[in-house]
Amino acid sequence: SAVISQKPSRDICQRGTSLTIQCQVDSQVTMMFWYRQQPGQSLTLIATANQGSEATYESGFVIDKFPISRPNLTFSTLTVSNMSPEDSSIYLCSVGLNTENTEAFFGQGTRLTVV
Amino acid sequence: GNSVTQMEGPVTLSEEAFLTINCTYTATGYPSLFWYVQYPGEGLQLLLKATKADDKGSNKGFEATYRKETTSFHLEKGSVQVSDSAVYFCALRSNDYKLSFGAGTTVTVRA
Repeated sequence: SAVISQKPSRDICQRGTSLTIQCQVDSQVTMMFWYRQQPGQSLTLIATANQGSEATYESGFVIDKFPISRPNLTFSTLTVSNMSPEDSSIYLCSVGLNTENTEAFFGQGTRLTVV
Repeated sequence: GNSVTQMEGPVTLSEEAFLTINCTYTATGYPSLFWYVQYPGEGLQLLLKATKADDKGSNKGFEATYRKETTSFHLEKGSVQVSDSAVYFCALRSNDYKLSFGAGTTVTVRA
């Protein structure tokens, strides 16, 4: 299994500002992903964080709004830029250990409120 | 593309009642199927999984069988407890390792 630490666990931010969320894993993992869970809704994949290269974004998400870094196999950051109230969501980091193991593990999430 | 259709809630049950949450999927290839649970105020946890057709996943009294012929992965529990109150998500993982989630079903069990 994998233990995932996300920081911060929650934050209240002013519109127009940016917030960087950190995801730290206790072991090296092949795959890291960032998801968004809007209030009362399901999870939507934002992007795949690629180690040493640019992240791969899903339709509807762009790098300028959600820049992602992944400098090594245990760490990634997601920045929510120029925030608006519509960005209020829970943001979750998810990892897959390797291509042989189908299970995905999730961090506790970062609950973001934009005022 | 891949998609998951999940029975919408909310679902309210009495303790010891039988619970079924329907889940069907659309996918190319041979996805792995999952049920995740989110207890109040907590993160997402894997409840059970099945990686190929006819596999049955089980955990904590919950079961789900991967039915390729009906593209379904319905979640069942024979006797629910108050502690089973949570939001349940059906999900599939395709060959690119990305997860597609259903809308989630809120289950409330009354004592």
